[in-house]
Amino acid sequence: QQQVKQSPQSLIVQKGGISIINCAYENTAFDYFPWYQQFPGKGPALLIAIRPDVSEKKEGRFTISFNKSAKQFSLHIMDSQPGDSATYFCAASIGRGSNYKLTFGKGTLLTVNP
Amino acid sequence: DTAVSQTPKYLVTQMGNDKSIKCEQNLGHDTMYWYKQDSKKFLKIMFSYNNKELIINETVPNRFSPKSPDKAHLNLHINSLELGDSAVYFCASSQVSPQYFGPGTRLLVL
Repeated sequence: QQQVKQSPQSLIVQKGGISIINCAYENTAFDYFPWYQQFPGKGPALLIAIRPDVSEKKEGRFTISFNKSAKQFSLHIMDSQPGDSATYFCAASIGRGSNYKLTFGKGTLLTVNP
Repeated sequence: DTAVSQTPKYLVTQMGNDKSIKCEQNLGHDTMYWYKQDSKKFLKIMFSYNNKELIINETVPNRFSPKSPDKAHLNLHINSLELGDSAVYFCASSQVSPQYFGPGTRLLVL
């Protein structure tokens, strides 16, 4: 049972365009929703994260939109750049204690064409 | 400077061998993790340790044994390696949240 479903699997966007990646979750106990960015040969790096008490969080060109009733959240990358080309993972977790674990989506390979 | 480091970066070995991967973090975090990323890039947690105590064990075969000599180190020992163990293994650490990942160890079992 996949607890966090991510789409699309791959995405091609032109430079300057908007990239949108969507995730849906099943477990209503999840209370922390981070997005990770992974470049080839590197480890995942935290990009931006949100908690369910807010509907949107923006950091620079990256925005998370969160819909608690629909159990969905999405990443928007404005003015996409070739340097944004990477694999993006949404994730969800419960709690903040020592036993909190991340459940990841299957990833989206983003390619931004120049 | 490196926050979470892993050695080795690459590991190529024969089926049936035993190998270890080492992880160290200099962030002062109490919790460390091992994740496995398969060939389709799916990331799944294997273990977590908090201050040297095993917290999460995600039904990983007992050929995999994590060892935490202190809270800054979490090593992964794998016995009797199988072809299906080929993957990239990531160490991570956290103090509450978020989790910080290491650069990964690419394991290839022949």
